[in-house]
Amino acid sequence: AQTVTQSQPEMSVQEAETVTLSCTYDTSENNYYLFWYKQPPSRQMILVIRQEAYKQQNATENRFSVNFQKAAKSFSLKISDSQLGDTAMYFCAFISYDMRFGAGTRLTVKP
Amino acid sequence: GAVVSQHPSWVICKSGTSVKIECRSLDFQATTMFWYRQFPKQSLMLMATSNEGSKATYEQGVEKDKFLINHASLTLSTLTVTSAHPEDSSFYICSARDYRGDQPQHFGDGTRLSIL
Repeated sequence: AQTVTQSQPEMSVQEAETVTLSCTYDTSENNYYLFWYKQPPSRQMILVIRQEAYKQQNATENRFSVNFQKAAKSFSLKISDSQLGDTAMYFCAFISYDMRFGAGTRLTVKP
Repeated sequence: GAVVSQHPSWVICKSGTSVKIECRSLDFQATTMFWYRQFPKQSLMLMATSNEGSKATYEQGVEKDKFLINHASLTLSTLTVTSAHPEDSSFYICSARDYRGDQPQHFGDGTRLSIL
């Protein structure tokens, strides 16, 4: 069974600073996707960034980047130049057939 | 624009009634859809996997007679909460599997269910 672990229930960062959210996962699959989703108070699931397991290059989307370590089954999210609008719950997710989520990290960006 | 439409977004009803939530894929055929439940300040928990034309697969601990899932067409899955009670109050989110491109799953905007 696939499991996703986020060990940081809450984090905070000063505006314009950089923060890294951690995620580890466990699977016996070789082909899968990894995602970071943002969930603001509206509870809409917003895709932040995705990584295909077969790609060695770390994904980057503007201020968001990941550090994907396949052998270590680690998938951390780095947010650079943090903005107040980044305040939200962040979920790490794994999908091969179905999608499993980590427990989430509540990120607060402070002015 | 949204590729998965979930309706209703918010429903309040009396204890004992049944509530149906719809999940539609708008511009692609979704042979597989998923239903999640989310309690306040918690993560999304997979309830069941809905496959078009066949019975849903329920996660351990989810009552199939309480949460009826129907996936009668390639674009529509429904979740019916039968004889709802206050403990069924929660946020329910559907998603649809998309095999076309780089984003394998699209989420609906969720349904806030409140049972009085």
